[in-house]
Amino acid sequence: DTGVSQNPRHKITKRGQNVTFRCDPISEHNRLYWYRQTLGQGPEFLTYFQNEAQLEKSRLLSDRFSAERPKGSFSTLEIQRTEQGDSAMYLCASSFDVTEAFFGQGTRLTVV
Amino acid sequence: GESVGLHLPTLSVQEGDNSIINCAYSNSASDYFIWYKQESGKGPQFIIDIRSNMDKRQGQRVTVLLNKTVKHLSLQIAATQPGDSAVYFCAERSSNYQLIWGAGTKLIIKP
Repeated sequence: DTGVSQNPRHKITKRGQNVTFRCDPISEHNRLYWYRQTLGQGPEFLTYFQNEAQLEKSRLLSDRFSAERPKGSFSTLEIQRTEQGDSAMYLCASSFDVTEAFFGQGTRLTVV
Repeated sequence: GESVGLHLPTLSVQEGDNSIINCAYSNSASDYFIWYKQESGKGPQFIIDIRSNMDKRQGQRVTVLLNKTVKHLSLQIAATQPGDSAVYFCAERSSNYQLIWGAGTKLIIKP
């Protein structure tokens, strides 16, 4: 499978714990995006990388959220001190420059 | 501000009929629009795109129409099949190359 891969698919965590998600984009894609999606809504932009540089962050990305793409390939999204409001599907997408973005299957986070 | 929205939250269509899903956008400067299909528990899947210098684009069983005068976008699916059941999102590309998404239209196929 050469599509966008996200791990884990599901994560249940207790409030206050830290969680980290991983995204492996399509190999030749230089752009990588993180989105958050809640039930019945469209994805909300969180941040994106061009190669290893994080070029834009949404105001939705509070100081508890951090994303990295250290070698310009895979990316991680960490949420510290999780809150119940963080429960959502976290989607990763990749593209080559400004062409269409391809999405992974997402990581569903449940904070209890 | 920039926003993209959909006219109907749910659309029920008889199997074999054509489906039309509508979308309104507010940023007249947007230059690129995409339709995505999202099945339950999966990430959005690219269907078709259109640039602002076009008013129609066809794919396999799908057609996207863009009316810039009224800032309206539609997705037509011909001969709707059970596998077309999903939530459909339109998205517009803003000036900073982010995608702005609407809330989605759920397409239900009646047998």
